[in-house]
Amino acid sequence: DAKTTQPPSMDCAEGRAANLPCNHSTISGNEYVYWYRQIHSQGPQYIIHGLKNNETNEMASLIITEDRKSSTLILPHATLRDTAVYYCIVRVWEGSNFGNEKLTFGTGTRLTIIP
Amino acid sequence: GEEVAQTPKHLVRGEGQKAKLYCAPIKGHSYVFWYQQVLKNEFKFLISFQNENVFDETGMPKERFSAKCLPNSPCSLEIQATKLEDSAVYFCASSLTQGGKAFFGQGTRLTVV
Repeated sequence: DAKTTQPPSMDCAEGRAANLPCNHSTISGNEYVYWYRQIHSQGPQYIIHGLKNNETNEMASLIITEDRKSSTLILPHATLRDTAVYYCIVRVWEGSNFGNEKLTFGTGTRLTIIP
Repeated sequence: GEEVAQTPKHLVRGEGQKAKLYCAPIKGHSYVFWYQQVLKNEFKFLISFQNENVFDETGMPKERFSAKCLPNSPCSLEIQATKLEDSAVYFCASSLTQGGKAFFGQGTRLTVV
């Protein structure tokens, strides 16, 4: 899996949009970008994933650059409960059995939401 | 169930003792993964299963670690002769056959003293 680079920490004011960058300059054509977060010491929580188009769900938006070498996770209105470590992961899609590929976690970005 | 259930939440073992951790994946999920988180941010993949078959065991320390997923039973991760360095939180995750999302349990914190 391609390596990802994320800033180790970021702060964001409550109510503002939190923009978390991720660099994956060696990503391959068959690799998706995934975002997970770990709140305190809980199990990682899936946020969103995408291949090349921008994606949005109830939790966040994912913006992937046209060359796919970087992406940004956007939490539109951050709350205190969004304080967590956010992991950007690239994951290979091979054939039809996509669900069996492991996730390779990096060190993530520790996001702190400031009241 | 609708969540991955891991037991026990906490486990303390003396060095050299055996430790056994359990994971009940979400019903209908074909894939189960085990991860070890030693330091706060570092996850290490251990092993994955496709139903009861080992799919990928490239992360498993071969000598003391073993894992199983048998039909109609929780999956298990067993550590023989635990060492201090095995102290970690062990997370289990499951996913659908062709899903993109892996759902994680709340982990088992193993402390070896």
